[in-house]
Amino acid sequence: QKEVEQNSGPLSVPEGAIASLNCTYSDRGSQSFFWYRQYSGKSPELIMSIYSNGDKEDGRFTAQLNKASQYVSLLIRDSQPSDSATYLCAVTRGSGGYQKVTFGTGTKLQVIP
Amino acid sequence: NAGVTQTPKFQVLKTGQSMTLQCAQDMNHNSMYWYRQDPGMGLRLIYYSASEGTTDKGEVPNGYNVSRLNKREFSLRLESAAPSQTSVYFCASSGLATSSGANVLTFGAGSRLTVL
Repeated sequence: QKEVEQNSGPLSVPEGAIASLNCTYSDRGSQSFFWYRQYSGKSPELIMSIYSNGDKEDGRFTAQLNKASQYVSLLIRDSQPSDSATYLCAVTRGSGGYQKVTFGTGTKLQVIP
Repeated sequence: NAGVTQTPKFQVLKTGQSMTLQCAQDMNHNSMYWYRQDPGMGLRLIYYSASEGTTDKGEVPNGYNVSRLNKREFSLRLESAAPSQTSVYFCASSGLATSSGANVLTFGAGSRLTVL
């Protein structure tokens, strides 16, 4: 079992729709959860972080965390063609100095105009 | 504010050649990392440096060495390149997110390495 699992996609949604990206993790000791966006040929960039159960909203993005189910999701409302990218789920364990960060393999999102 | 700068952006090597990837950050971060990214494999940690003067192996360290030259710089060396090391390499550094204490990674632009 992979430590962090994501469906590789591609996930295709029409422009203006809601895109739902999912991630499961195996380490119950995981403490922090992140979504990074990576455009083709570019480096990952942080778009959302979430640390406690529930929802966290930032503009068109909502991250959802359910630690009991070991599940993290990212919702993108009013999807735009510029949202087309690969979305990486990252899970962190530890505190202070070095924290082990484990990435999923990413879900490719295609927003169709 | 440059963030994380890594060089070179592209490199082609022959099997057995050596090279060093350079990385520097100007964010006063303590921790620095080297990842490689391959299709279908995601980001895999090669080596990391939790603080100046320390380095540790990550998930895929074989064939690589690192040097944390000072707080700003963290280099990755391939002593004898192999075709299996063809990949995109990312350097990253991390600082603490003020709200949670979690490390947030900032990545360099990447270095695309091809070993023939």
